Amino acid sequence: GEEVAQTPKHLVRGEGQKAKLYCAPIKGHSYVFWYQQVLKNEFKFLISFQNENVFDETGMPKERFSAKCLPNSPCSLEIQATKLEDSAVYFCASSPPGPLDQPQHFGDGTRLSIL
Amino acid sequence: GENVEQHPSTLSVQEGDSAVIKCTYSDSASNYFPWYKQELGKGPQLIIDIRSNVGEKKDQRIAVTLNKTAKHFSLHITETQPEDSAVYFCAATRYGQNFVFGPGTRLSVLP
Repeated sequence: GEEVAQTPKHLVRGEGQKAKLYCAPIKGHSYVFWYQQVLKNEFKFLISFQNENVFDETGMPKERFSAKCLPNSPCSLEIQATKLEDSAVYFCASSPPGPLDQPQHFGDGTRLSIL
Repeated sequence: GENVEQHPSTLSVQEGDSAVIKCTYSDSASNYFPWYKQELGKGPQLIIDIRSNVGEKKDQRIAVTLNKTAKHFSLHITETQPEDSAVYFCAATRYGQNFVFGPGTRLSVLP
């Protein structure tokens, strides 16, 4: 598609439950990025993929967060044993093949609320 | 690593006036500087970008200037309109590196 599609728009989970978020990048784009935006508005980089391969995971909390980008499937971000502090808006972005110094196109995010 | 600061954090202007948001970066090797506009409940949308081999770029009411020596770049919006009200983010990156975003500026255009 021509837009980055994120689902669901809003996800509510009880503390300790699992949360799974999905992202379909723009067709033809090679890179996928996940960001976390909390109340202060700042974007925290989590992980990036080049096709189905992890490109950079320096921002990922290793213990409970995992992500995948499999061929012919939406990318996913999964949080196990959610905590209150995981409440945030999670954005996915994609960019075309080539160098990273080019525009990233963002989806409208998934708002995760942990109760 | 790269660090990006952004000022002011909030900005209120009267409709028709100009708005200027400034960002500074720390990595002299950074070579690509996008600006994003985020409206409530939406994802960031790219509004303009500039590369390090250019000093200024303009697109209708929006312009970006880059001073590589001082390591800062600025977003200029002229003839502001109420629909310009949003949060604006700058970012910096260089080849092979992820974007580093500034903390954002909330712009309010008062009618």
